[in-house]
Amino acid sequence: DAKTTQPPSMDCAEGRAANLPCNHSTISGNEYVYWYRQIHSQGPQYIIHGLKNNETNEMASLIITEDRKSSTLILPHATLRDTAVYYCITNSGGSNYKLTFGKGTLLTVNP
Amino acid sequence: DTEVTQTPKHLVMGMTNKKSLKCEQHMGHRAMYWYKQKAKKPPELMFVYSYEKLSINESVPSRFSPECPNSSLLNLHLHALQPEDSALYLCASSYSSSNEKLFFGSGTQLSVL
Repeated sequence: DAKTTQPPSMDCAEGRAANLPCNHSTISGNEYVYWYRQIHSQGPQYIIHGLKNNETNEMASLIITEDRKSSTLILPHATLRDTAVYYCITNSGGSNYKLTFGKGTLLTVNP
Repeated sequence: DTEVTQTPKHLVMGMTNKKSLKCEQHMGHRAMYWYKQKAKKPPELMFVYSYEKLSINESVPSRFSPECPNSSLLNLHLHALQPEDSALYLCASSYSSSNEKLFFGSGTQLSVL
């Protein structure tokens, strides 16, 4: 699976969009990009995933560059409850699927 | 019901004790996972069960013994642990072992004295 690089921390003002970048320059053609987050003292929570096209759900949007070497997770209107560590993970899925977490980005949403 | 329930939430044990962590889900998922998370570190995969059979063991020491009695339950038996085994133990499940969406429990915070 491709190695991912994320900034260790970011700040965002409440109500503004939070844009979290992820670099995965060695991603292969069959690898998906997944995003999870972990709020303090809780288990990780799935947010969104994608392969090539941009994706949107009720939680966030995922923008993947055309060359697939990087992606951005967008929280359109960040709230204080979005303060968490956000993990960008690449994986090709398949049998015996292994979700391997990197260090992630600590997003702090400020009032 | 989209929850993964872990018990107990907190556990303190001595190095000679035997204890078990329990995990339960009723989403019909056929894959279940154990992760270990040290403070300020990302979760690390320990075991994967697929259709009640152990499919991945990430070279975990034998003092950790997983068990999957049925498709809804996952246990982690602990024996002769060391203080460095103190961590948050997370259980997760997914529809299958090739499915990307994992549902995590809130974990058991384990302290080994």
